[in-house]
Amino acid sequence: QQQVKQSPQSLIVQKGGISIINCAYENTAFDYFPWYQQFPGKGPALLIAIRPDVSEKKEGRFTISFNKSAKQFSLHIMDSQPGDSATYFCAVSGGSQGNLIFGKGTKLSVKP
Amino acid sequence: NAGVTQTPKFQVLKTGQSMTLQCAQDMNHNSMYWYRQDPGMGLRLIYYSASEGTTDKGEVPNGYNVSRLNKREFSLRLESAAPSQTSVYFCASSWAGEETQYFGPGTRLLVL
Repeated sequence: QQQVKQSPQSLIVQKGGISIINCAYENTAFDYFPWYQQFPGKGPALLIAIRPDVSEKKEGRFTISFNKSAKQFSLHIMDSQPGDSATYFCAVSGGSQGNLIFGKGTKLSVKP
Repeated sequence: NAGVTQTPKFQVLKTGQSMTLQCAQDMNHNSMYWYRQDPGMGLRLIYYSASEGTTDKGEVPNGYNVSRLNKREFSLRLESAAPSQTSVYFCASSWAGEETQYFGPGTRLLVL
């Protein structure tokens, strides 16, 4: 049973455009929702994270939108740049699940 | 401050051979993790160690063993490698009770 579903699998965006990646989860006990960014040949690194007490968190060009009732959260990358080209993973944790559970990843390509 | 280091960077094994992947962190973290990353599968937890002296199975532990050698080091052993274990292996660490995980650069393993 997949506890977190991430879409799309891949995404191509023009420079300056908005990139949107979505994740859906089932377990309402989850209370931590991070996004990790991974460049080719590197390990993932925390990009931004949110807890369910807020509906949105913004850090620079990166925003997490959180919809508790729909059990969904998304990553928005504004003014996407070629340097944002990477694989993005959402993750969840909380309740009896102390460890992070990762989505399958989205490969983002930003075309100049 | 090197963060999380992994050795080797790349390894080729024949079916049935054994090897140990090494991981070390210099951030004084309590918890350490081993993941495997396969195309389209995201990051799957193999084993983790919540603190020195303890280890627990993750989602995909079969065919692997781990040792938490001390607070800094956490090794992953393949006793009899199989082609299905061809993957990229990531080690990560975190402070106890903190969700943010810091990843190493990965070990690429090819089993022929």
